[in-house]
Amino acid sequence: AQSVTQLDSQVPVFEEAPVELRCNYSSSVSVYLFWYVQYPNQGLQLLLKYLSGSTLVKGINGFEAEFNKSQTSFHLRKPSVHISDTAEYFCAVSVPGNTPLVFGKGTRLSVIA
Amino acid sequence: NAGVTQTPKFRVLKTGQSMTLLCAQDMNHEYMYWYRQDPGMGLRLIHYSVGEGTTAKGEVPDGYNVSRLKKQNFLLGLESAAPSQTSVYFCASSPTGIMTDTQYFGPGTRLTVL
Repeated sequence: AQSVTQLDSQVPVFEEAPVELRCNYSSSVSVYLFWYVQYPNQGLQLLLKYLSGSTLVKGINGFEAEFNKSQTSFHLRKPSVHISDTAEYFCAVSVPGNTPLVFGKGTRLSVIA
Repeated sequence: NAGVTQTPKFRVLKTGQSMTLLCAQDMNHEYMYWYRQDPGMGLRLIHYSVGEGTTAKGEVPDGYNVSRLKKQNFLLGLESAAPSQTSVYFCASSPTGIMTDTQYFGPGTRLTVL
């Protein structure tokens, strides 16, 4: 069975600084990878996803993620964060076989002015 | 186009009471999902549906039942609520492929069981 580990539960960062949110997965087969964002008191929305092709995936709001098969990672990055990026970020994985997404436990990003 | 809506937004129950959460989507999506979100636990799948009239168990199905009588609606029932079911419940839907599709989430229902 696949699983997802988000290595940091909380990440504080100053405004305009770069940020990386880490995600590792475990699976012995090909995977599809997702990052979702949850703003305070809202549901989740998709930031980006990797299905195939280029390992560098660009998403909304200036975020990008890189799929690294050898390290089984899918880290999320942004070169310069804004206060409005304060939210919880979830990594998720699915594998071929018609099974639902498995979500990580989330990383709470706090951007400090 | 309202997307995914959830009713109610908040609810307080006493132990042993029953209730039904309603999820509705107007995007003609085949797949629908119920999750619960607890601090430090992320999202855990309760039940899901791959089409009208079909349901399947997720990771944490015990204590919950679901029904998908109409394509646009997915109901989550608690027959006898317990304090352990205090949580925020999210409904989501996706168009077709369960593995690759984007899931669209509702705003959530905050349930407290006393």
